[in-house]
Order: sequence, then C-alpha cells, then structure tokens
Amino acid sequence: ETGVTQTPRHLVMGMTNKKSLKCEQHLGHNAMYWYKQSAKKPLELMFVYSLEERVENNSVPSRFSPECPNSSHLFLHLHTLQPEDSALYLCASSQYGPNTEAFFGQGTRLTVV
Amino acid sequence: EDKVVQSPLSLVVHEGDTVTLNCSYEVTNFRSLLWYKQEKKAPTFLFMLTSSGIEKKSGRLSSILDKKELSSILNITATQTGDSAIYLCAVNSGGYQKVTFGIGTKLQVIP
Repeated sequence: ETGVTQTPRHLVMGMTNKKSLKCEQHLGHNAMYWYKQSAKKPLELMFVYSLEERVENNSVPSRFSPECPNSSHLFLHLHTLQPEDSALYLCASSQYGPNTEAFFGQGTRLTVV
Repeated sequence: EDKVVQSPLSLVVHEGDTVTLNCSYEVTNFRSLLWYKQEKKAPTFLFMLTSSGIEKKSGRLSSILDKKELSSILNITATQTGDSAIYLCAVNSGGYQKVTFGIGTKLQVIP
C-alpha cells in the first residue's frame, strides 16, 4: 500500500452517468496530480494542484472536472464521458518545486460503456 | 513540444541476464530525469538524475544521465523474475511536476 490511496479501484460507467474518483495522500505533500494512462500511450498529465490552487490544466475536456478541497484530498468528477476516456487514471503527490519525485496511487481502471 | 522516447519497447530476457534500457529526450527546460517501475498499476520511483555523468545505484539497478547526448540508461544486472515490469522514463521541465513521460519499456524476465 502506497502513501497515496485511490478509490474506487475499478469503475464501469455509462456515457450519461456522473461519477467521481477520489484520491488521498498521507505523505504531507503540497502538490497533487491527475494522470491518464491509456493503452500504448505515455502517461498524460491532466491537472496539477499546488497548495490547493490549480497550476496546470493540459487542455483537458470539460467533462473532466477536478476538485482539491485541501492538500490531502483530490477528486476528479466525471460526466458524459466517451468510450475513448476508458483508461487508467492515476493520482500522484509530491512536494511542490523542481526536482522532486512523485508518489503514485494504485489508480482507477475506468471503463466507459 | 517536449518529447521522451524509450527503447526498446519490450524485452524478454532470462534470469541472470543483464539488461540496458534507453531513454532519450527533447525538452525546452531540462530540470531532471526520473525512472519509475510500474508492476501492476502504481509507478514506483527508482532514480532521479540531474547531473551528467554521475551514476545513481540501488542494488542491482543503476542509471546514468548524459546531458550532451540528451539521454539516460537504466541497467539491471543479474535480473530476477521480480524485475518484470514496465520501466518508465520521465523528464521534469518545470517548477512543479511538469513531467513528460515516455511510453515505457516492458521487461519480462523468464526463469
């Protein structure tokens, strides 16, 4: 078990559903991230929060909506997703600043049907 | 656009072999290069390299950065089945974790 916990581990949702992914870190870090990992593609950075402020948004479609209520919790709200959004969604945390390594959660395997 | 390329994409070796995984990069503002091991889902951190020519070592794993060649290698000696995983290379080019990942090298170690 890592210091970053994600729930749920697996999620199947229809295109009209609304669901949320949750991430919690117990490492005292002040930056949190959402990554998307699709088959045969590199990890893609979706959102970065530092000190609960969003500092990066890599042109992610608005059907993905992040929320960071405090430095330990991060959510990814999902609505009206497409089948191509099926992927592994990984949360990570780190200390904010250059040259720090990220600690990843186990991920949520999302399937959109 | 920042780019990280890893090779080979996949590799099958026998236990006891030595392997070398390659990573090359093109980024606008290099800060550091990181290696991660991804066994099932969560990538776990292996090394961070910032200075050229200085080897980082942990047990049977070692890595070195060549800033002139814009590349890094990850060596694993005396491989074991537990080394089977996807090895990810990433480059940090920002003040926070502005990190570009490669697609990974899938290593399979067979008994």
